[in-house]
Amino acid sequence: RKEVEQDPGPFNVPEGATVAFNCTYSNSASQSFFWYRQDCRKEPKLLMSVYSSGNEDGRFTAQLNRASQYISLLIRDSKLSDSATYLCVVKLGSGGSNYKLTFGKGTLLTVNP
Amino acid sequence: EAGVTQFPSHSVIEKGQTVTLRCDPISGHDNLYWYRRVMGKEIKFLLHFVKESKQDESGMPNNRFLAERTGGTYSTLKVQPAELEDSGVYFCASSQEQGRATEAFFGQGTRLTVV
Repeated sequence: RKEVEQDPGPFNVPEGATVAFNCTYSNSASQSFFWYRQDCRKEPKLLMSVYSSGNEDGRFTAQLNRASQYISLLIRDSKLSDSATYLCVVKLGSGGSNYKLTFGKGTLLTVNP
Repeated sequence: EAGVTQFPSHSVIEKGQTVTLRCDPISGHDNLYWYRRVMGKEIKFLLHFVKESKQDESGMPNNRFLAERTGGTYSTLKVQPAELEDSGVYFCASSQEQGRATEAFFGQGTRLTVV
């Protein structure tokens, strides 16, 4: 089983649509969770952290269910500029203060006019 | 403030040659990471430096890969000799502190093609 699994996509949605991405992780000891965004041929950039209580940033809402080891990202009222690959990322400590990021394969979103 | 910079942005080399990738982290960031994305696969961890020390190199694929961070500033990743399966995008990331919620900033990557 992969450490981090995401919807394979791609997702093609019209402007204004609501789209949801799902992600599961295999290691129950994982400690922090993030959604990164990666534009074509660019570097990954942090979109938002994900907290157990759920968190919202404008049109973006992230949820974490530790019991199910499941993370989600909801984008409301999607814009053309939301077109990108969305990466589910999990941070796990491997001893002491050493942490590393584990990435999902990413889900490509295309928002169409 | 300058972000994480990587050089070169692209490199095309022949199988058996040597290539050295360079990463300059954000000034003051003690933590430096190398990641790689092979086509069609997810971004995978290679190794982690804290200052000049290798903290975790569990992701290094084999002994053809050598990473250094002399003086705890910039880092190099050398591939010698390069093989076809080494092709991919190599990302460097840095962070100031090491902690659960600390954000890692990525460079734009070096696209390596081995022919």
